[in-house]
Amino acid sequence: TQLLEQSPQFLSIQEGENLTVYCNSSSVFSSLQWYRQEPGEGPVLLVTVVTGGEVKKLKRLTFQFGDARKDSSLHITAAQPGDTGLYLCAGAPGNQFYFGTGTSLTVIP
Amino acid sequence: ETGVTQTPRHLVMGMTNKKSLKCEQHLGHNAMYWYKQSAKKPLELMFVYNFKEQTENNSVPSRFSPECPNSSHLFLHLHTLQPEDSALYLCASSTQTSGGPYYNEQFFGPGTRLTVL
Repeated sequence: TQLLEQSPQFLSIQEGENLTVYCNSSSVFSSLQWYRQEPGEGPVLLVTVVTGGEVKKLKRLTFQFGDARKDSSLHITAAQPGDTGLYLCAGAPGNQFYFGTGTSLTVIP
Repeated sequence: ETGVTQTPRHLVMGMTNKKSLKCEQHLGHNAMYWYKQSAKKPLELMFVYNFKEQTENNSVPSRFSPECPNSSHLFLHLHTLQPEDSALYLCASSTQTSGGPYYNEQFFGPGTRLTVL
């Protein structure tokens, strides 16, 4: 069992569709980060959520932190091929830092 | 270009070889990290250095030996590796990690793709 479970593991959608990916844990996090990793590159930070219930928007991406600070979601509106990549959530429930299992997104033109 | 470079980008080595991975950051950060990314497994944090001092070693086998001579450079020395060590090794840097429940934004290099035969 992984500390941070992400779902779905793989997602393939058409350009223009909406999607939501999830990051779930049984542990409480003081903050969660979302990264995107493109092929041949390292992960790049998209956002950090800190407060339970917090919602942050980054253009077409909307991030939400669960009220209990155990889960988070990422919603993409009108997906574009440039959104293709591996989406990773990450956080430290204690003194150790963990990445989630990842969601691999492919947006088909 | 994230300001973190890694060399080599690809490495193939036998189980008896000794090799080193190099990471350099040009961001003025004080914390540096080594991660292992294997297929079908989450990114695994291996080592953390703060101001050149190792602050975390997540039960990494001794065949992996990190070295941090200064805040801008980080090495990972490899010897007598196993085929299951084949993976993408990522280096990252950040401003000083708080050492507590919150980690500052990490900037990643492109990684070294390691294959152990």
